Amino acid sequence: DAGVIQSPRHEVTEMGQEVTLRCKPISGHNSLFWYRQTMMRGLELLIYFNNNVPIDDSGMPEDRFSAKMPNASFSTLKIQPSEPRDSAVYFCASTIRDFNTGELFFGEGSRLTVL
Amino acid sequence: AQTVTQSQPEMSVQEAETVTLSCTYDTSENNYYLFWYKQPPSRQMILVIRQEAYKQQNATENRFSVNFQKAAKSFSLKISDSQLGDTAMYFCAFMNTGANSKLTFGKGITLSVRP
Repeated sequence: DAGVIQSPRHEVTEMGQEVTLRCKPISGHNSLFWYRQTMMRGLELLIYFNNNVPIDDSGMPEDRFSAKMPNASFSTLKIQPSEPRDSAVYFCASTIRDFNTGELFFGEGSRLTVL
Repeated sequence: AQTVTQSQPEMSVQEAETVTLSCTYDTSENNYYLFWYKQPPSRQMILVIRQEAYKQQNATENRFSVNFQKAAKSFSLKISDSQLGDTAMYFCAFMNTGANSKLTFGKGITLSVRP
């Protein structure tokens, strides 16, 4: 079975540009999480969805960040406009909420560099 | 809010030796899950071991075992017979139970296994 699929794997962009990161969760999973990883702050939860509905977006750093989940098989994280401090690895993870075993399945991450 | 603390930024161990990684957490809840995730240089987040707080028995997975001290809010990971492939960052994580549970990570520890 395919795992969580993220794209792009790497993105280099210039300050001010719009960045869109994509995630396809594991089929059948009904919870999706977006994390950001940096050396300074470690792994931070940005937002998560249950059944395509955003539950907690308190981790989204500012209004430049937005996330959507239009259906059960796709989510996007958008940064507009991007800034150098947004440079990080962004992870998407999914799980089956109803079982609540706690294990999250992670994608390989999208490394973003903003120049 | 729950917090997870990993106070050691890095450790080193000789191949075939045993190493223990420390983790403490803070919560007011009685039921929850604790995890150790491994992140090798490939960047993929891999679940190593999981512990349910209501279980008194420490979880074990082959060479990996935990020492779960609920009263002390301590959750350490022991790696026996260390192998070169164990070289990675290790993250301790906490998840509360309930419909809107989320996973909170510690800052991580870099483990190097020396040949």
